[in-house]
Amino acid sequence: GAVVSQHPSWVICKSGTSVKIECRSLDFQATTMFWYRQFPKQSLMLMATSNEGSKATYEQGVEKDKFLINHASLTLSTLTVTSAHPEDSSFYICSAKRSNQPQHFGDGTRLSIL
Amino acid sequence: RKEVEQDPGPFNVPEGATVAFNCTYSNSASQSFFWYRQDCRKEPKLLMSVYSSGNEDGRFTAQLNRASQYISLLIRDSKLSDSATYLCVVFTGNQFYFGTGTSLTVIP
Repeated sequence: GAVVSQHPSWVICKSGTSVKIECRSLDFQATTMFWYRQFPKQSLMLMATSNEGSKATYEQGVEKDKFLINHASLTLSTLTVTSAHPEDSSFYICSAKRSNQPQHFGDGTRLSIL
Repeated sequence: RKEVEQDPGPFNVPEGATVAFNCTYSNSASQSFFWYRQDCRKEPKLLMSVYSSGNEDGRFTAQLNRASQYISLLIRDSKLSDSATYLCVVFTGNQFYFGTGTSLTVIP
C-alpha cells in the first residue's frame, strides 16, 4: 500500500533555530502533498497544499515566510519552520496523494522548541 | 458553518457492543469521503473510503447519504483495540476537510 515517510519523527531545539521536516512518498508519485499541524486533543489543521513544481498554497493565518514549503519532486516535500519559537511547538504531519486516491499520512514530527 | 461536523463524543462502550458515528458535510459538491482512525499521538490512518452504495470491511460498515449530506461508520462487535479517534474526511475536489474526530473507548 501507499507509504509516506516523514523525518525526523522528533525534534527538540533551541528558540531561534530553523527546523526542516521532510515528507517522502516511498512507493508512489504524489501529485499533491499537504502539511498539517495538530495541537493536543484537536483535529488536524491544514497549513498548506503543495503541488510538485508549484508554489504552495497557504491557508489563511499561516505565515508563508515562517513556514517554508518546497515540493521539489513528485516524491519529496519539505517544511522548514524558520526561527522557531516555543509557540511553534506542535505535531506536524504531512500527507501525500496521487490523482483521485485518498491521502496517506506520514508518521508525523513532534517539534519541541525550548 | 463548518465544512464537516462530527460529534466529538466521547463514546464509551463495552466490548462486543455496536457503535455508530455520524458526520455531516456542508458542500453538496463534495466528491469523496473517508474515515480515518487516529491513535493518541500518532498520525491518522485510512480506515476506509465511503462509497455511494455503502461498503463493508469486516466489522466496519460505512454509508453515504448524499441527499442528507451525511456519512456514517458502524462498528460491530467492538474490540478493545478499536479505541481511538475516528476522523470523518471529505474531499471537495480541491481540498480535504476534516471533522474534529469522535473519540471511542471500548471498555473490557
